[in-house]
Amino acid sequence: DGGITQSPKYLFRKEGQNVTLSCEQNLNHDAMYWYRQDPGQGLRLIYYSQIVNDFQKGDIAEGYSVSREKKESFPLTVTSAQKNPTAFYLCASSIGTPPDYEQYFGPGTRLTVT
Amino acid sequence: EDQVTQSPEALRLQEGESSSLNCSYTVSGLRGLFWYRQDPGKGPEFLFTLYSAGEEKEKERLKATLTKKESFLHITAPKPEDSATYLCAVQETSGSRLTFGEGTQLTVNP
Repeated sequence: DGGITQSPKYLFRKEGQNVTLSCEQNLNHDAMYWYRQDPGQGLRLIYYSQIVNDFQKGDIAEGYSVSREKKESFPLTVTSAQKNPTAFYLCASSIGTPPDYEQYFGPGTRLTVT
Repeated sequence: EDQVTQSPEALRLQEGESSSLNCSYTVSGLRGLFWYRQDPGKGPEFLFTLYSAGEEKEKERLKATLTKKESFLHITAPKPEDSATYLCAVQETSGSRLTFGEGTQLTVNP
């Protein structure tokens, strides 16, 4: 089955530790995205990548880093510089070319930092 | 800057009671407007893309419409399994990123 996988589903870390969230897709999509969702809020864009070895900052990139070494993978690192890292993190991908611009989402990773 | 506002924030319906959710948007040039459904603790599920004013799309009990300033998601004779948060997002003609609204939390009581 084609889709997007995120692991783990739940992640717990101590304050001051970096943590990496995994995102893998087998849809052969060029574009991939990371969003953060806080309770009762919409999705906010952290980083996105439209092609391998290239990525752009979204609206809330401070305290996060990404890499795009393979088309299928777009890991997100939450660094100790992120002031409020506890949130629900969603990865998405899209074909990114006309006429298909819709994004498809993974199941999410809930990160709790104490 | 793109803006998306969804209303109401929450909506409670009785099973079979039809209603509409609103998504108002401001964008310099609209490439597409997207509707998603999100269940608690899960990733959003894609429902529709609308590209131009006057366009309509349907899926089961859901019908999405688009004008130059807003989109409506009409729910006809809803069932309890339609309970979810419905998210609206817009994409500018100049880029690939989506700007999301905060969602409408729909509850359908049996």
